[in-house]
Amino acid sequence: DQQVKQNSPSLSVQEGRISILNCDYTNSMFDYFLWYKKYPAEGPTFLISISSIKDKNEDGRFTVFLNKSAKHLSLHIVPSQPGDSAVYFCAASGQSGGGADGLTFGKGTHLIIQP
Amino acid sequence: ETGVTQTPRHLVMGMTNKKSLKCEQHLGHNAMYWYKQSAKKPLELMFVYNFKEQTENNSVPSRFSPECPNSSHLFLHLHTLQPEDSALYLCASSQAVFQGTNEKLFFGSGTQLSVL
Repeated sequence: DQQVKQNSPSLSVQEGRISILNCDYTNSMFDYFLWYKKYPAEGPTFLISISSIKDKNEDGRFTVFLNKSAKHLSLHIVPSQPGDSAVYFCAASGQSGGGADGLTFGKGTHLIIQP
Repeated sequence: ETGVTQTPRHLVMGMTNKKSLKCEQHLGHNAMYWYKQSAKKPLELMFVYNFKEQTENNSVPSRFSPECPNSSHLFLHLHTLQPEDSALYLCASSQAVFQGTNEKLFFGSGTQLSVL
């Protein structure tokens, strides 16, 4: 069963408008969340993260919102630019009491910015 | 230069072949990882190494055999693979073993593997 879900496989947004990518999780032990961006033929690159002690983190055009009660986070990109066209992965991690769990990823959302 | 280099970028192999994937990180990190990305599926963690010691094996079949001779190099040895093993194999590293807050993974570009 998927613990991190990105229910929209793709999203098309007009250049200059806001892009909103959504992510839901089921594991209440997750306490750190990240967004990665992936271009074709490249590995994912870190974009922005948020700890569960916060409900918002902003970095330039990118803002991540976390709603712990709903187990939901979202990534807002404003204004959207053509270079933002990529696949965006939501990932989560939790303090599981020992061992290296790495990150649990969603399937990704392909964001397409239309000129 | 991403800091994490994977070779080869593409690999086609038959089910009876033996091949190896190589990963090298130039970031001075202590932890390295293998992830698998299949079509329409999330990235799946396969193996974790911390200071050259394997700390995680996520129920990966024995036809995948990792090797970490030092903190900068990671290999994935492949033998008698199945067509369903065709996927993008991504190597990653982090400063320390990933146990949560403030840690980030740095990924290589991946090896696109096709098993015929």
